[in-house]
Order: sequence, then C-alpha cells, then structure tokens
Amino acid sequence: EIVLTQSPATLSLSPGERATLSCRASQSVSSYLAWYQQKPGQAPRLLIYDASNRATGIPARFSGSGSGTDFTLTISSLEPEDFAVYYCQQRSDSLTFGGGTKVEIK
Amino acid sequence: QLQLQESGPGLVKPSETLSLTCTVSGGSISSSSYYWGWIRQPPGKGLEWIGSIYYTGSTYYNPSLKSRVTISEDTSKNQFSLKLSSVTAADTAVYYCARSKGRYCTNGVCYFDYWGQGTLVTVSS
Repeated sequence: EIVLTQSPATLSLSPGERATLSCRASQSVSSYLAWYQQKPGQAPRLLIYDASNRATGIPARFSGSGSGTDFTLTISSLEPEDFAVYYCQQRSDSLTFGGGTKVEIK
Repeated sequence: QLQLQESGPGLVKPSETLSLTCTVSGGSISSSSYYWGWIRQPPGKGLEWIGSIYYTGSTYYNPSLKSRVTISEDTSKNQFSLKLSSVTAADTAVYYCARSKGRYCTNGVCYFDYWGQGTLVTVSS
C-alpha cells in the first residue's frame, strides 16, 4: 500500500499569507495525485488533480506541483474561506489518502 | 445540478451487515462517462476509499476491505449501493458516495469530483 504523509499536521497562518502544504508518497505515484479541501461538517471538495491541474471552478490562488514522491499544494494568498483541512490522494496503485493538514487562523 | 444522497440505517449491530444506498439525481449512473464510489471517514479522522463501480457493473475494491465489501447498482432507480459485512466498532464512520469523471480514473481507481453530504453510521450493540 502506498502511504501518503502530509506535513505539517497543522499550519497556523493569517489571511493574506501564503500557505505551502506537503504530501510525500512512500513510492512513486508519477503525477497521479489529487488535493481536496474539507470544511467541518462538509464533504471533501476536489481542488487539484494529476498533481497540477485545477478542478472546475477552483480559484487560481490554488496551485499544485510535484511528481514522483514529493508534492506541494500552494495557496498564494489565504482567504477567510480557505481555513480548512486539506487531503492528498493518490491513484497510482489502488487509492489512498494522506492524513491531512489543518490550515488554521493564527 | 448533480446531487448524490446517501441513505440507510444510522445504527448497525456488531457482526451484522451495513447497507447503504446512494440515490443520484441530475445525472445517470448508466453513463459511460462516470464511475461511482464509496468513501468513509471515522469521526475526527482521515478518509478511506471503500470501492467503486462502473456502469457495466465492474467493481473495484480497497484490498483491505475487499473480503467484506459488495458494491452494486440499480440502474432502474439510478442508485448504487454498499454492503459491508461483519462490522465492528472500527467501521463507525461517515460514509460518502461520490462520482468520478472517467478521465479522472485508471482501472477503476479515481479522483472524486462530486460528493454526497455523507451519512453517519455507528456500529454498536
């Protein structure tokens, strides 16, 4: 099973700041990696697929990069609605999710 | 507007079978363009893929759950269903149904672009 490790577990930032979230795979997943945002009491929302492609309707402040084992989700300037938990997911070998990074208001 | 709605018992006894249905509106599960899946999330924890189904009836399961899971479809009702047998307290979770575009999938393993609101299932006697 491919294990996805997300870091940090919690990121404390202020609105307007840049957020950089990491996802590391235990073996190469090529570019088969997605990012989701989840707010309390809501279902996850697909943000990024295939490492760097924004899903439909996702603002340009969200960007993804990486390939192989190391991936990054960047939020260029945090809006109030961006404070949430973010998960990465791979589909290279079966399907697994990372443990999540919580982006909280500092 | 596509909508997915999970339904089923909120409480299941240990060793019994958990059964949930996802009703799809605003789209057809018979479309060749999409896969349909189940994902769960224990309270306060992360996400776990359970499995997916294609309109042909082909199914794809998480290897760790495969021995206990059955996903099926009822195209006449535009629904797909999940059965998880021999449940324990560890199966207590919010269960989500979700959709994937075919281009988000390889060999039935997908990203999910539309999700239901989720339903909490508690396993307890």
